[in-house]
Amino acid sequence: AQSVTQPDIHITVSEGASLELRCNYSYGATPYLFWYVQSPGQGLQLLLKYFSGDTLVQGIKGFEAEFKRSQSSFNLRKPSVHWSDAAEYFCAVGHSWGKLQFGAGTQVVVTP
Amino acid sequence: NAGVTQTPKFRILKIGQSMTLQCTQDMNHNYMYWYRQDPGMGLKLIYYSVGAGITDKGEVPNGYNVSRSTTEDFPLRLELAAPSQTSVYFCASSLDSAAEAFFGQGTRLTVV
Repeated sequence: AQSVTQPDIHITVSEGASLELRCNYSYGATPYLFWYVQSPGQGLQLLLKYFSGDTLVQGIKGFEAEFKRSQSSFNLRKPSVHWSDAAEYFCAVGHSWGKLQFGAGTQVVVTP
Repeated sequence: NAGVTQTPKFRILKIGQSMTLQCTQDMNHNYMYWYRQDPGMGLKLIYYSVGAGITDKGEVPNGYNVSRSTTEDFPLRLELAAPSQTSVYFCASSLDSAAEAFFGQGTRLTVV
């Protein structure tokens, strides 16, 4: 069965430090991969997506993600975190037959 | 451009009552989705649709029904509300399964 795993439920990071959020997927072929961010009380906003081609993908707000087929991973990174990056982050997998499946999310707390 | 609009934003239901969560999008998207979000559980797909007249079950369809008579609208029906259906519900749409999903602001439902 297809699945999306975000191993870290909660991450605390200091402002200005780097951030990496992990995402692993289980799927029979190369899926469509997404990272979304959810601020408190809001819907989800797309940060970036990967379909094919270059495995390093640039997104909005200074985020990037790298697709590693051998590890079935699509980890999200940001070199220097800002206080406004405090939010919940979701990795998602899109399937050709229509379903969009999300991981459980990683809550990011940014400390001064 | 309104995007994805959900109504109502908040609702309290008594056990056994029924209600319909409304969702409409003005982007002419083929794909539409209903998710529920529970703390620490991420988003779970309830139902999805790949076009008018076509719907299919997601991960957690029990207790819900949907219809898709037009491209724009994708209402979610709760027939006999139960406390386990207390959640935040998100509607989303995308052009296709590989495209960015746009989310509504959510409906917070409490069943008492």
